[in-house]
Amino acid sequence: QVQLQASGPGLVRPSETLSLTCSVSGVSFRNFFWGWIRQTPGQAPEWIGTLYYTGTPTYHPSLRSRVTMSVDTSKNQFSLRMTSVTAADTAVYHCARLATRREGYNFLPSGYFDSWSQGTLVTVS
Amino acid sequence: EIVLTQSPGTLSLSLGDRATLSCRASQTVSSSLAWYQQVPGHPPRLLFFGAYWRASGTPDRFSGSESATDFTLTISRVEPEDFALYYCQQYGASPITFGQGTRLEI
Repeated sequence: QVQLQASGPGLVRPSETLSLTCSVSGVSFRNFFWGWIRQTPGQAPEWIGTLYYTGTPTYHPSLRSRVTMSVDTSKNQFSLRMTSVTAADTAVYHCARLATRREGYNFLPSGYFDSWSQGTLVTVS
Repeated sequence: EIVLTQSPGTLSLSLGDRATLSCRASQTVSSSLAWYQQVPGHPPRLLFFGAYWRASGTPDRFSGSESATDFTLTISRVEPEDFALYYCQQYGASPITFGQGTRLEI
C-alpha cells in the first residue's frame, strides 16, 4: 500500500524559497505520476504541478515562473521548490499520487489523485 | 481555466437523510471529474473518478452522476462518518482545478 510523507520547514521568510520533499514507499515509484496540491482554509485546493520520474514536469500556469519539481529515484522521493514566496503561499501542502494507467510500454496519468500525504503546513512570515 | 462551482456551500442534514451535492463546470470536462471527501485533519480521500466510477472503499450509499457540465454526488442515507468536506476536481483540461467544497454538517 502506497504511503506518502511530505516534509520540510514549517516557516519560510517572505521572498525566500520554500522547499518540500515527498517520500514514497510501498509502490514502484517509476510506475506512477506524482503531484503537489496546496490547500488554504475556505478556498479551493490548488494544483501546483505533476511529474514523472523522467520528462518535464507540468506546472500550474500561475505558478510556473516560481516552481520547480524534481525527482530522486534513488530515494523514492520527489521535491517542490517555490521561489519568492509571499504570505499568499501560506497553505497546507500535500503530495499525492496520480492514478496512472499503462498503455503498452507507456505509463500515462489519469488526472485524479488516488493517494495523498498528510498535509504539511507552511507559513510564510 | 475551468472553474468548478460547488453548491451548496454548507449542507445541514440529519442522520438517515439524503444528501445531494452539486458541482458545475464552466466548460465541458467530458466525464473527467473526481469527488473527494475530507475529514478535518486528514487528507482528501478519493470517492469517485470518471464522474461515477467508485474508488476502492467507497460505500454503496454514495453515487455519482453527470449531466453535461453538471455533476452530482449523492449519499442515499447519511451516516455519522459522512459529515465532512466534499470537493470536486476536473482533469479534463489543464490546469487541473478543484471546486471550493461543500461542507456536510449535522
